[in-house]
Amino acid sequence: DTAVSQTPKYLVTQMGNDKSIKCEQNLGHDTMYWYKQDSKKFLKIMFSYNNKELIINETVPNRFSPKSPDKAHLNLHINSLELGDSAVYFCASSPTILAGVSSYEQYFGPGTRLTVT
Amino acid sequence: AQSVTQLDSHVSVSEGTPVLLRCNYSSSYSPSLFWYVQHPNKGLQLLLKYTSAATLVKGINGFEAEFKKSETSFHLTKPSAHMSDAAEYFCVVSLSNFGNEKLTFGTGTRLTIIP
Repeated sequence: DTAVSQTPKYLVTQMGNDKSIKCEQNLGHDTMYWYKQDSKKFLKIMFSYNNKELIINETVPNRFSPKSPDKAHLNLHINSLELGDSAVYFCASSPTILAGVSSYEQYFGPGTRLTVT
Repeated sequence: AQSVTQLDSHVSVSEGTPVLLRCNYSSSYSPSLFWYVQHPNKGLQLLLKYTSAATLVKGINGFEAEFKKSETSFHLTKPSAHMSDAAEYFCVVSLSNFGNEKLTFGTGTRLTIIP
């Protein structure tokens, strides 16, 4: 069974369009994340959600809107796509950070390669 | 503020020789540190993590890393490289708060294995 899955794997679209990427995890985690990996392989966090509540929003344009219908899903909707949005987007999940716990491993999905033409 | 610096963007080694991927960190707190690996066109996989327990951390596939506070380093090593080790490696520092964890990634080191 795939722990963290994303759909679609590849997405090619034109500037100005609106698109969504879906993410699902079956690990029972409470926290989910979206990362963007640019053409130089640099990875940067975009958002994190804990129990459907937005926790981290890292200066991402408001054209990007995450939506978490339940703990197991975190979808990413992008409006008015621009050339600079072309990247690989990774979803990840982890258990909730509790008192006395320093860190948990994040489990990553396979990525969605978005190409905007 | 926290950050990591991967000192080499590209490392090439011959199969069967040792691997050294260098990472220095900066953190205001006692850090949690990770190494993740990304094989071509794949997602990221955790190799190992340091969370203030033993300073020498052993991971999967024969990799290990040593946390050196005095040098603010967390270098990744492997005694003998295999062809399957060819991938992109990311050093990562973590800042954790209740409810979530923020990972800050290094810029990555591409490891090439020469047959």
